Amino acid sequence: QKEVEQNSGPLSVPEGAIASLNCTYSDRVSQSFFWYRQYSGKSPELIMSIYSNGDKEDGRFTAQLNKASQYVSLLIRDSQPSDSATYLCAVRGNQGGKLIFGQGTELSVKP
Amino acid sequence: DVKVTQSSRYLVKRTGEKVFLECVQDMDHENMFWYRQDPGLGLRLIYFSYDVKMKEKGDIPEGYSVSREKKERFSLILESASTNQTSMYLCASSLRQGREKLFFGSGTQLSVL
Repeated sequence: QKEVEQNSGPLSVPEGAIASLNCTYSDRVSQSFFWYRQYSGKSPELIMSIYSNGDKEDGRFTAQLNKASQYVSLLIRDSQPSDSATYLCAVRGNQGGKLIFGQGTELSVKP
Repeated sequence: DVKVTQSSRYLVKRTGEKVFLECVQDMDHENMFWYRQDPGLGLRLIYFSYDVKMKEKGDIPEGYSVSREKKERFSLILESASTNQTSMYLCASSLRQGREKLFFGSGTQLSVL
């Protein structure tokens, strides 16, 4: 089992819809969870971080964390074509500051 | 803004060559990382460093070494390049241990023929 798993996609949603990106992790003691966005040909950039159970909202983005189910998700409301990118889930394990990345989910928002 | 600079955007090398990938950050970050990114595999950590002259193995260190002689510079070395090391290599830095916001360089696409 991979330490951090995501559906590779592609996930296709129409403009204006809600895009839901999911991530599961295997290490129960993980404490910190992150979503990075990577445009094609570019480097990843941090868009959301979440540390406690529940929801965290930032503009059109909402991160949701459920530690009991070892599940973290990213919701993008009112999706725009400019949101088309690969979204990488990252989890900090229980050893120092190493981040473990999932393989990424490719999102395509169709006009 | 933090700037992480990788010396080459594209690099073509031959099997058996020794390859140096250079990375420089300009924000006095303590932590530096080298990842490789392959389709379907995401980002995999090769080596990281929390301080000058300090290095720790990541998840896939075999065939690689690193050097951090100065705080701002972190070099990845492929001792004898092989075709399975053809990949996108990303350098990243973060402020200090426990601060997980990584700032990435623009990447080096390495092809080993």
